[in-house]
Amino acid sequence: TQLLEQSPQFLSIQEGENLTVYCNSSSVFSSLQWYRQEPGEGPVLLVTVVTGGEVKKLKRLTFQFGDARKDSSLHITAAQPGDTGLYLCAGGYAGGTSYGKLTFGQGTILTVHP
Amino acid sequence: GAGVSQSPSNKVTEKGKDVELRCDPISGHTALYWYRQSLGQGLEFLIYFQGNSAPDKSGLPSDRFSAERTGGSVSTLTIQRTQQEDSAVYLCASSLGGLERETQYFGPGTRLLVL
Repeated sequence: TQLLEQSPQFLSIQEGENLTVYCNSSSVFSSLQWYRQEPGEGPVLLVTVVTGGEVKKLKRLTFQFGDARKDSSLHITAAQPGDTGLYLCAGGYAGGTSYGKLTFGQGTILTVHP
Repeated sequence: GAGVSQSPSNKVTEKGKDVELRCDPISGHTALYWYRQSLGQGLEFLIYFQGNSAPDKSGLPSDRFSAERTGGSVSTLTIQRTQQEDSAVYLCASSLGGLERETQYFGPGTRLLVL
């Protein structure tokens, strides 16, 4: 069974602060995705990383995939209230019957106070 | 519509009753997924369809849960003899071809409450 441990589970910060969310596993994933979910809606994809050591930036968000493809991080610079939401990492494993299946972390509930 | 739709958006039922949840994926998407989400938590995989076939049913929690997909489009998740622990948000997602690195487009979910 592939598991993804996401931390912290809750994060409450002031506007302008930086933060990092971590996603760790003992399993190797072929890809790692980060989603953001707002109340009453489904998750929306932020980024997909597929290469060990890969770094992707999306405005104030920086995503990194670990060299061994077992872990990932999401760093937000100068957080804004609009960043508030549930952040989810999800690992993909190509091959066999798991083709297309994602394993999700438990999620990080981020609250950014004005 | 352009996105994934699910119905009903909310469902309240009594313990022991059967419920059916519907998902309309994005047109042309061959892969369809069902997940379950407890309040503010991560998503638990239930079942994956490629076309009308379900190569991975490993996440279905018990034989009370079943799902089907017809015409390579609409899918129905059925829960028989509902229990209180079935209360959750049931999310459906679709993707173009079923590769694990593809974007999965999620519907808004069905919020199920079993009394």
